[in-house]
Amino acid sequence: EDKVVQSPLSLVVHEGDTVTLNCSYEVTNFRSLLWYKQEKKAPTFLFMLTSSGIEKKSGRLSSILDKKELFSILNITATQTGDSAVYLCAVEALSNMLTFGGGTRLMVKP
Amino acid sequence: ETGVTQSPTHLIKTRGQQVTLRCSSQSGHNTVSWYQQALGQGPQFIFQYYREEENGRGNFPPRFSGLQFPNYSSELNVNALELDDSALYLCASRVGTGGLYEQYFGPGTRLTVT
Repeated sequence: EDKVVQSPLSLVVHEGDTVTLNCSYEVTNFRSLLWYKQEKKAPTFLFMLTSSGIEKKSGRLSSILDKKELFSILNITATQTGDSAVYLCAVEALSNMLTFGGGTRLMVKP
Repeated sequence: ETGVTQSPTHLIKTRGQQVTLRCSSQSGHNTVSWYQQALGQGPQFIFQYYREEENGRGNFPPRFSGLQFPNYSSELNVNALELDDSALYLCASRVGTGGLYEQYFGPGTRLTVT
């Protein structure tokens, strides 16, 4: 059975801190790994990663995938209160099935 | 705004009843997926439809069924509701079946079963 585990479960930091969120996975016939941010309802897309070692970057957020060790990290630098959310990692298999982790709840205090 | 809409926003049903949730995808998005998200957990994949055919299914019983229509709308039907079906139901749409294209989520329908 495909499995995605995220750590830590929750995190409290102060504005300006840098955070690293972790995602490890076991999936049959891996296609891609995706990161989402969920604030209230709809998850919003952050990154899609398909190749190892290539960093994807968007503003203060960046992510990288290691297909040999089966994990990904999401980094957020210079955190702001608006970064407070649940961050979800999901892995897509060739079967079209998307398996989500339980999420990391990030709270950024002023 | 993702261009994906869902209705209704909230719904309360009693155990044993049937429910239909609706999703309207972005124009041109011929793939729609449905997810169940219980409180405090990540979304769980229910199934995916591509060009009106189911082409992927998670570990959900047959009482969860779906339809996709040519006008980029879709439905999730749940029969014989159980208390554990209480959750946020999300639909997501994209172009194609995967690999290269991200999917866009709707705001969800919060279902409460009493």
